[in-house]
Amino acid sequence: NAGVTQTPKFRILKIGQSMTLQCTQDMNHNYMYWYRQDPGMGLKLIYYSVGAGITDKGEVPNGYNVSRSTTEDFPLRLELAAPSQTSVYFCASSYTDRGGPQHFGDGTRLSIL
Amino acid sequence: DQQVKQNSPSLSVQEGRISILNCDYTNSMFDYFLWYKKYPAEGPTFLISISSIKDKNEDGRFTVFLNKSAKHLSLHIVPSQPGDSAVYFCAASKYGNKLVFGAGTILRVKS
Repeated sequence: NAGVTQTPKFRILKIGQSMTLQCTQDMNHNYMYWYRQDPGMGLKLIYYSVGAGITDKGEVPNGYNVSRSTTEDFPLRLELAAPSQTSVYFCASSYTDRGGPQHFGDGTRLSIL
Repeated sequence: DQQVKQNSPSLSVQEGRISILNCDYTNSMFDYFLWYKKYPAEGPTFLISISSIKDKNEDGRFTVFLNKSAKHLSLHIVPSQPGDSAVYFCAASKYGNKLVFGAGTILRVKS
């Protein structure tokens, strides 16, 4: 029962580098989300998707891009890494957009130096 | 603009006693509330939820209370167990599933 799988678990980037955080789910959920969690803060929504081919910005989208070509995968792209993007990133998915819980992956801890 | 606030960063409780975690919100349009539990190096896991049409929801040792007039919800864990030691996040949403999270409360249950 894999659920939501995120790779990598840890990564160190240099300022200006780019990378893609991978997220895949095997629950056939239409809704997928990317969050970041900074120390002492709650999770903040970066981007979300309501189905393949449809994405929209969340609360903190600057510096990130997403795509959703399949139901299963929702990668998050950092184009020009900045120290402010040092954070723990969580991907989540849900079956419904109303009244149902989101299921989270175990996160990617990203440091930008 | 913190719409969901958990004002206690941490809480320490003796095993077997009640743990009460609190959450306040400012947006009266929120109509669905959830609690998540998070262990270190893992993602948050869903614990319990409540719709705004209810004022109480129970699931085993966990009960969530909602006071809409005070814009306040609480999570009661009875009895508390050492395995309950984790970070607890309160979250809220209005129509649609874009959750707004609180900053979390660290619960330590001492044996």
